Amino acid sequence: QVQLVQSGAELKKPGASVRISCEASGYTFTRYYMHWVRQTPGQGPEWMGMINPVGGTAYYAQDFQGRVTMTSDTSTSTVHMELSSLTSEDTAVYYCARGVDWLYMDVWGEGTMVTVSS
Amino acid sequence: EILMTQSPATLSVSPGEGATLSCRASQNINSNLAWYQQKPGQAPRLLIYGASTRATGIPARFSGSGSGTEFTLTISSVQSEDFAIYYCQQYNNYWRFGQGTKVEIK
Repeated sequence: QVQLVQSGAELKKPGASVRISCEASGYTFTRYYMHWVRQTPGQGPEWMGMINPVGGTAYYAQDFQGRVTMTSDTSTSTVHMELSSLTSEDTAVYYCARGVDWLYMDVWGEGTMVTVSS
Repeated sequence: EILMTQSPATLSVSPGEGATLSCRASQNINSNLAWYQQKPGQAPRLLIYGASTRATGIPARFSGSGSGTEFTLTISSVQSEDFAIYYCQQYNNYWRFGQGTKVEIK
């Protein structure tokens, strides 16, 4: 079955960077985009960006431009998201989600909790 | 930047009753709208895309309607497993979610 498995929870200090992975299985990795979405407690999901696994072209939300980098590894069907210059406001659950063309997100990972605290 | 506004913030419903959730876009998004359901501690789950097409495995009691700027998600008879938060999302111009409607037990 289609599955997205994310890396485990992270605890980071302010100013540090975090790198989260998302391994896809059960489908042809190169046929779908991959989004990253984050969610803080009590808030709606926030789109961070999307990557085309073929070629690695990424599109980032304006709020994260300059601070986020998304990469893909077709040999392992894995995408990575790195967020730098972390502050307490980056404390959130981060999800990867499979994108159908430039449309909706049909399969989601389980989420990775990132806590930023000194 | 397209903003998505959902109403009400909370909807209290008795099991078996119907529920109607609204979503408004700040500009025309055609039918490029999806609805997601999220339960505590879980990732969002796709319910509806293209404003009115149910995703695979979604029960027929869930239906979506609307186009342009006004959209509705209807649950015809709310079951116990439907108590959750529902988000609309536009994908006409990048992607943006609403703030959600919590469907709670009355």
